[in-house]
Amino acid sequence: AQTVTQSQPEMSVQEAETVTLSCTYDTSESDYYLFWYKQPPSRQMILVIRQEAYKQQNATENRFSVNFQKAAKSFSLKISDSQLGDAAMYFCAYTMSGGSNYKLTFGKGTLLTVNP
Amino acid sequence: GAGVSQSPSNKVTEKGKDVELRCDPISGHTALYWYRQSLGQGLEFLIYFQGNSAPDKSGLPSDRFSAERTGGSVSTLTIQRTQQEDSAVYLCASSLGRQVTSNQPQHFGDGTRLSIL
Repeated sequence: AQTVTQSQPEMSVQEAETVTLSCTYDTSESDYYLFWYKQPPSRQMILVIRQEAYKQQNATENRFSVNFQKAAKSFSLKISDSQLGDAAMYFCAYTMSGGSNYKLTFGKGTLLTVNP
Repeated sequence: GAGVSQSPSNKVTEKGKDVELRCDPISGHTALYWYRQSLGQGLEFLIYFQGNSAPDKSGLPSDRFSAERTGGSVSTLTIQRTQQEDSAVYLCASSLGRQVTSNQPQHFGDGTRLSIL
């Protein structure tokens, strides 16, 4: 079974600084998708960034970027120029490609605090 | 609407009562998902709908849990004879296609916070 591990229950960063959130996963599949979701206190899960495993190039969305290391099964999220609005719970998620790929497997999350 | 809509936002009920949680997906999205988020935990998959049928109910924790979807749109998650361990946030998501891809991700609602007294 696929598992997703987020080893940092909590992280903090100063406003305008850079922070990296860690995520590792376990799978025997060669093709899959990875996602980072943000959950602010409003509870809505907001998609931050996505990565296809077959793409070597790391995904980037404005201040958010990932470091995807397929061999190491690592998928970290880097937030640059952190803003107060980035404070939230961040979840890493995995789904396989094909077959039962409607099912997202989530890590337990990392609570990010942004200090002014 | 523009996003996935869930109601009620919060629900408090007594142990043993039945509850119904509603999800209205994004218009045109054929796939619908229910997840449960217990305190301090990640999201746990409950059930997946494609249209009105549920090919995967494997995540439903017991036979007290059931879900249906009508008209390929609104879905209702029902919990019978609620127990305290059912207390959680129940999140609904929808996606455009049959399979989740990076171009067709799951879009989530705000969830229903269920508290069983």
